Amino acid sequence: DAGVIQSPRHEVTEMGQEVTLRCKPISGHNSLFWYRQTMMRGLELLIYFNNNVPIDDSGMPEDRFSAKMPNASFSTLKIQPSEPRDSAVYFCASTLGSVETQYFGPGTRLLVL
Amino acid sequence: AQKVTQAQTEISVVEKEDVTLDCVYETRDTTYYLFWYKQPPSGELVFLIRRNSFDEQNEISGRYSWNFQKSTSSFNFTITASQVVDSAVYFCALIVSGGYNKLIFGAGTRLAVHP
Repeated sequence: DAGVIQSPRHEVTEMGQEVTLRCKPISGHNSLFWYRQTMMRGLELLIYFNNNVPIDDSGMPEDRFSAKMPNASFSTLKIQPSEPRDSAVYFCASTLGSVETQYFGPGTRLLVL
Repeated sequence: AQKVTQAQTEISVVEKEDVTLDCVYETRDTTYYLFWYKQPPSGELVFLIRRNSFDEQNEISGRYSWNFQKSTSSFNFTITASQVVDSAVYFCALIVSGGYNKLIFGAGTRLAVHP
């Protein structure tokens, strides 16, 4: 079975550019999460979708970040404009049910110069 | 509030040694779930185990074992006869039932297994 798919795996961009990260959850899962991992802050939950609806976006750093889930099989996380402090690994995870295991994608390593 | 503490930042062992990674959690809820994830040098997060608060039986999976003790709010992870491939960062995490499924992660323990 295919796991969570993320693209791109690596992204290098310049400050001020728009960055779009993509995620395809495991088929049949109804919850999707975006996390960010940095050395300083560890793993942080950015936003959580349930049945394609954003439930909690309190972890989104600021208005430069936005996330969408237009259907059950696709989500995007957009940063516009990007800044060097956004450099991190961004993970997408999905699950079925409220307390079930979250399965993570391979992550997107973002470097903003 | 919920919290997960992994006091060991880094552990270094020689191959074939046994090693235990500590995890202490805090929650006032009676129903909760505990997890361990492995993050190898390649960077992905790999699920290892999920445990609910009503099941205190220890679990063994090959060289891996987990000891869950509610009395001490601990969910420790032991690797027996460690191997170089076990080198990774290991995260303990907690979800509380009743809220939405926010996974609370510990800071992680970096395990280095040397040949």
